[in-house]
This record gives sequence, C-alpha cells and structure tokens, in this order.
Amino acid sequence: IQLTQSPSFLSASVGDRVTITCRASQGISSYLAWYQQKPGKAPKLLIYAASTLQSGVPSRFSGSGSGTEFTLTISSLQPEDFATYYCQQLNSYPYSFGQGTKLEIK
Amino acid sequence: EVQLVESGGGLVQPGGSLRLSCAASGFTFSSYDMHWVRQATGKGLEWVSAIGTAGDTYYPGSVKGRFTISRENAKNSLYLQMNSLRAEDTAVYYCARAGAFEPLDIWGQGTMVTVSS
Repeated sequence: IQLTQSPSFLSASVGDRVTITCRASQGISSYLAWYQQKPGKAPKLLIYAASTLQSGVPSRFSGSGSGTEFTLTISSLQPEDFATYYCQQLNSYPYSFGQGTKLEIK
Repeated sequence: EVQLVESGGGLVQPGGSLRLSCAASGFTFSSYDMHWVRQATGKGLEWVSAIGTAGDTYYPGSVKGRFTISRENAKNSLYLQMNSLRAEDTAVYYCARAGAFEPLDIWGQGTMVTVSS
C-alpha cells in the first residue's frame, strides 16, 4: 500500500491553521497514524486510528478521514510544531509511511 | 520509565553482516509487537520489519531474505540480523513498540549503520 502526502513542503506562520493530506493507494479503513519528527530525534506518535489523539498531545492537533483519504490539521501553529510529519498505514503488512511533509516557518 | 535502547550499529563493508539489539524496559515486553524502522540521512522513514507476540515476522521486499528479526522475551530484547548489506541500507535504525495493528507509540533513540568500503 502506497501513501502519498501533500504537500511535501509547507511554509506557514505561528498562529496559522494548516492541513496535511495523506492518500492511500487502496482502502485502509481507519488504520492510519500520524507522527511528528524533529531533527536528530525519533518520531513521536501524534494520532492513531485516523482521529484519536495520543495521550499528552495538544488538542490543536486533529486527524480525520477513512478509506483512502486522511488529513492532519493543526489549528493554530505554535513554534514547537515546525517539524516533519509522516503518516503510516497499519492496515496490512508491509506497513508503509508517507514520504513526509516538512513544515517550515514563513 | 518506558524505554527502548538500540545498540550494535557501526561501519560495515558491502556484503557484510551486522546484528542490532534493542533493550526494552518499563513495560511487559512479551505483550507487544516490536518493529524496526530506518531513516537514511535527509530521507523519510522506511518500515523494515516487525515481530508479533507469537514470533510471527514481517518484512518489506527491500530486506526480505537478507534481514531477520527476532526477540528474546526472557531478556526483554529485540534483534535485527542484517546480512548481505548494501550501501542503500545505510541509515539510522530505530526500534519501536506497538500493539497488534496498532501504532508505534514508543521509539528508541536510534543506532547508525553505515555500509561502505
């Protein structure tokens, strides 16, 4: 199953609302997770089951979608949110990741 | 504290072998699926392998037949035996914890593998 994220790069300002899309090459129900990665660090789980917020993750992060199209939304960007975001499908092996979306400060 | 610590990375020649280890602590290791994920410098995440609680194993085509994942529950340890290494296997390798068909919720800090002559 191939995952395609868009956009690959996103430039935004603190306080902006941003949305990242992840499209699957075939239906994966709600078996999708989102991760945040900062340079030199391991990825951090943000959202799983497409829309469930991982414990401790700020509520400005939200996820939606099912089947083949999913979105990650950050309602009001904070300085610590500038990072790279990845989606991952957990519907069937081999698991796969999207290519990533790098969120940069405008 | 729930923790995963990888070790065993290093420099290896093309065609060589390397065994990575991941030490788990702070949770019931035997109750979780475990995964390896790698990331080449400046590139995205690539899922490498998984092992279930019953010892069932999974690989993508890029490493199948060359890499072997295993676990030793008595030692709370995960392993990745990597054979016939290629330059394109050069990456940081992370181990991660997950439930069955659940996300990777705990990650180690990673260990660097460099395949070069």
